[in-house]
Amino acid sequence: DAGVIQSPRHEVTEMGQEVTLRCKPISGHDYLFWYRQTMMRGLELLIYFNNNVPIDDSGMPEDRFSAKMPNASFSTLKIQPSEPRDSAVYFCASSNMMGETQYFGPGTRLLVL
Amino acid sequence: DAKTTQPPSMDCAEGRAANLPCNHSTISGNEYVYWYRQIHSQGPQYIIHGLKNNETNEMASLIITEDRKSSTLILPHATLRDTAVYYCIVRPGTGANSKLTFGKGITLSVRP
Repeated sequence: DAGVIQSPRHEVTEMGQEVTLRCKPISGHDYLFWYRQTMMRGLELLIYFNNNVPIDDSGMPEDRFSAKMPNASFSTLKIQPSEPRDSAVYFCASSNMMGETQYFGPGTRLLVL
Repeated sequence: DAKTTQPPSMDCAEGRAANLPCNHSTISGNEYVYWYRQIHSQGPQYIIHGLKNNETNEMASLIITEDRKSSTLILPHATLRDTAVYYCIVRPGTGANSKLTFGKGITLSVRP
């Protein structure tokens, strides 16, 4: 298995632009998680899906952030408009069941100028 | 609401065992102890987990005290590639509360 796949690996954009991060979970995994990591706040959960349905989005920082999972093999995290404080590494993870081991992707390093 | 306490850093010599401690004095009966690590510029990587028995896999051993209030992750023969931040996480086995909550972790530096 290829593991969790994320794209792009690096993204540099200007403030105000729309940013879309993509994730392909491990095949057969029913849960998908989006995390953000910064020096100040560490690694924090933004949102997670079960069978393509958002279950808990309490970690999403504000309305500029949105996430979708149109099918079992694809999810997006969108920031519109982006701000410099959104600069971080965004990780996607998937698991077979809630409470089971989560497997992380390599992350997307986002820099908003 | 940190459920675990880890020292901020430690180091060990290459080839020696690395023993990483974790305190989780408020752990509940249905909560597991999980260990993940994050090598620089990579995503977190699962290492091992346990409920109350000691566990061993190809990466490490997990020793949980009888009262389950603390545990130790053991890397039996540390290599330079084991230099990373190691996270000890306590979580229920099922349900919405079984989200992974990462603390600051412990930075392990393996020296040549």
